[in-house]
Formats: sequence, structure tokens, C-alpha cells
Amino acid sequence: DQQVKQNSPSLSVQEGRISILNCDYTNSMFDYFLWYKKYPAEGPTFLISISSIKDKNEDGRFTVFLNKSAKHLSLHIVPSQPGDSAVYFCAAPTGNQFYFGTGTSLTVIP
Amino acid sequence: NAGVTQTPKFRILKIGQSMTLQCAQDMNHNYMYWYRQDPGMGLKLIYYSVGAGITDKGEVPNGYNVSRSTTEDFPLRLELAAPSQTSVYFCASRRLAGGQETQYFGPGTRLLVL
Repeated sequence: DQQVKQNSPSLSVQEGRISILNCDYTNSMFDYFLWYKKYPAEGPTFLISISSIKDKNEDGRFTVFLNKSAKHLSLHIVPSQPGDSAVYFCAAPTGNQFYFGTGTSLTVIP
Repeated sequence: NAGVTQTPKFRILKIGQSMTLQCAQDMNHNYMYWYRQDPGMGLKLIYYSVGAGITDKGEVPNGYNVSRSTTEDFPLRLELAAPSQTSVYFCASRRLAGGQETQYFGPGTRLLVL
């Protein structure tokens, strides 16, 4: 059972425009969410997180929005840069484990 | 501070061979994890540990074994390699910090079983 879902395997965006990556979850017990970025041949690296007591968290060009009623979160990247081209995973910890989405491959076109 | 290190980076195994994937962290994290990532898929948890001497199965433990004799090291053992174990393996450690937690990943080990 996929508790964290990313339904868009890929996304292409022009440089300078906004990238919006989406993530849905099914477990209402999740109270903390993270986004990771992964370049080819490297391990995932932490990008930004959000607690369920907030509906928005911002860090520079990256903003994560959380809609608890819809069980949905999104990552906004503004403006998108070619160096943002990577695979993005959303994740949620519960107990001793983390649940990861399947990832969205973002390509930013110069 | 090296973070999470993994060796080897790449390995080819023949069916039935055994190997150990090494993982070490220098951040004094109690929690450590092994994941595998197949093409187009997310990260699937193989095993995890909440401290030295304590390990538990994840979603896909069959064909693997782990041990945790120290806080720093968390090796993953493949006893009889099968083609289905061809994957990229990531080790991670977890920082718990009062609501600001995350996992730190190693660079991965790419394993090909032929």
C-alpha cells in the first residue's frame, strides 16, 4: 500500500518559470513531511520540510504547501533554474520508518 | 565530518555469490536504514536499526541480513545473490531533533547481479 504518492513521474519547465511538484498521502497520522532532491549517481539530500501545524514553509526559492484536509502537499520552486533538474521525493516519517513517494523527475529547460 | 559513507560504489555479482555492503556514519545517529531503489520506483525499506544491537525488518527484507554492533556501522549482507537484487542501495542515518528530523543518505551502491 503506497502511503505517499507522487502521480507525476516527470515535469519539464522553462528556466525562470515556476515548478510545482505534487504529493498525496493516505495516512492521516502523518504530521511531518519532507522533500528530498536527488541527482544521478548521488544519494537523496534533504531540501525542505513542513510540520502539520503549518500550511506553508519557505526557504529561499523553495516553498512547501500543506493541505491537510486534502492530504496533499506541493513543492514550489520559483524561479526554476537548470541546476534544479533532479528527481524530487516527498517523504513522511511515522514511528521508526519513513515512507517515500516514487519521485518526480524535474527538467528545467534553459 | 564525512556524513554517511558507503562502499563499494559499484559491484557486479554472479548469481549465488555473497557480499556485504558497508555503511558508516560519523554523526552519532542511533537510527540507520537500508533502502533499495529500482528504476522508476521510490525507495523501499529493507532493514532498519534504532541503535546498536537492535535491528528490524522493513518492507522488502527477503534475501538480506543486517547487523549493528556499533553506532557507526550498519552493514547489509546478501547471502545468495539473485537477479532480482539488481538495484541501487542507499544507506541512511536519521537525526531526531524535536520536530525537525531528517535522514542523511550515503551516495549509494549500484549492484548488478548476472
